[in-house]
Amino acid sequence: EAQVTQNPRYLITVTGKKLTVTCSQNMNHEYMSWYRQDPGLGLRQIYYSMNVEVTDKGDVPEGYKVSRKEKRNFPLILESPSPNQTSLYFCASSSPGTTSSTDTQYFGPGTRLTVL
Amino acid sequence: GQNIDQPTEMTATEGAIVQINCTYQTSGFNGLFWYQQHAGEAPTFLSYNVLDGLEEKGRFSSFLSRSKGYSYLLLKELQMKDSASYLCAAPDNAGNMLTFGGGTRLMVKP
Repeated sequence: EAQVTQNPRYLITVTGKKLTVTCSQNMNHEYMSWYRQDPGLGLRQIYYSMNVEVTDKGDVPEGYKVSRKEKRNFPLILESPSPNQTSLYFCASSSPGTTSSTDTQYFGPGTRLTVL
Repeated sequence: GQNIDQPTEMTATEGAIVQINCTYQTSGFNGLFWYQQHAGEAPTFLSYNVLDGLEEKGRFSSFLSRSKGYSYLLLKELQMKDSASYLCAAPDNAGNMLTFGGGTRLMVKP
């Protein structure tokens, strides 16, 4: 089944404790992206990747890191989480053969992160 | 920069028609997306408009006017399961980033 998976789905952690949210897609998509969703602010793009070893900042990259060592995986790293990073996070990927966001993005199920 | 506006909430009756508007200001134009998102779930793709006019897809249609920076999503024969948030989104000029509006929460009542 074609899908984008994220782990964990739910996480409660404390300020300063490094964490990684994994994202994996099995559709051979080149474009992948991370978003956070907060009430009243909608979905905001954190980082995106056009291809392996190619990543760039979105609108709200502060406090986050990403890597793209393999085509299928695009982990989101919070080196020192803070309470303002409490949010719902979505990973997404785009149709094969493209390197842009102009093709339909398929979203993972979301990761609800709480930082105390 | 990109700016996308849509109403925060709308209410409609089962079986009726509802139109959800979206206005946008973008540095270039690279099409406009509509996504549906049920509470607690991931957004799912509904439509992508590049050319002016109405595109129909079953009960859902999407309209675009590039000259007016305006789009709408039209939902016909509303069903209870259509209660969800509807997100308008536009890629940037380079097609690298996707900017979303705040979403319109639609409540369908019996």
